[in-house]
Amino acid sequence: AQKVTQAQTEISVVEKEDVTLDCVYETRDTTYYLFWYKQPPSGELVFLIRRNSFDEQNEISGRYSWNFQKSTSSFNFTITASQVVDSAVYFCALSSGGAGGTSYGKLTFGQGTILTVHP
Amino acid sequence: GAVVSQHPSRVICKSGTSVKIECRSLDFQATTMFWYRQFPKKSLMLMATSNEGSKATYEQGVEKDKFLINHASLTLSTLTVTSAHPEDSSFYICRSEGSMGEQFFGPGTRLTVL
Repeated sequence: AQKVTQAQTEISVVEKEDVTLDCVYETRDTTYYLFWYKQPPSGELVFLIRRNSFDEQNEISGRYSWNFQKSTSSFNFTITASQVVDSAVYFCALSSGGAGGTSYGKLTFGQGTILTVHP
Repeated sequence: GAVVSQHPSRVICKSGTSVKIECRSLDFQATTMFWYRQFPKKSLMLMATSNEGSKATYEQGVEKDKFLINHASLTLSTLTVTSAHPEDSSFYICRSEGSMGEQFFGPGTRLTVL
């Protein structure tokens, strides 16, 4: 069975601080995909990143960066110089792909981390 | 780019009524549809998976007779909550996936059952 754990339920920071959201996953599959989503108060999920299990390169996109380490089954997300607009719930998710090899199939979500950035 | 819409965005109904939620893929063909529910301050829980033209596959613990899913076309899937009760109040979200793995979430439907 797959499992995603986001141990931090809530994080509160002051604007311009850096913040790291942790994600630890469990899977027996050798091929899998990891995702991060942002859910603002409106409720609509915003896709942030997707990684496959064979690509351990860290990625940076503006103020966002991701650290994927298979050795510790972690896929952590760091926001540099946080802003009030970053306040949201952040979800880490895992999938092993769907049928036919061209889809992602079921996503298993972590519990989510509520990030509040204060001005 | 592709957009997935959900209708209605919010619905309030009386206990015992049925509510239909539509999920439409506007610019691509959704071969697979996933329906999730999310309780306040909780994670997204997968309810069922459906492929176009086939019966939905429900997750353990989800009553298929209560949550009717229809995926009759590549652009439309519906979730009907039959005889809704207050405990069915939740945020329902669809996720559309195309044949090449492209995926999009709908904006969600907030259901309140009085």
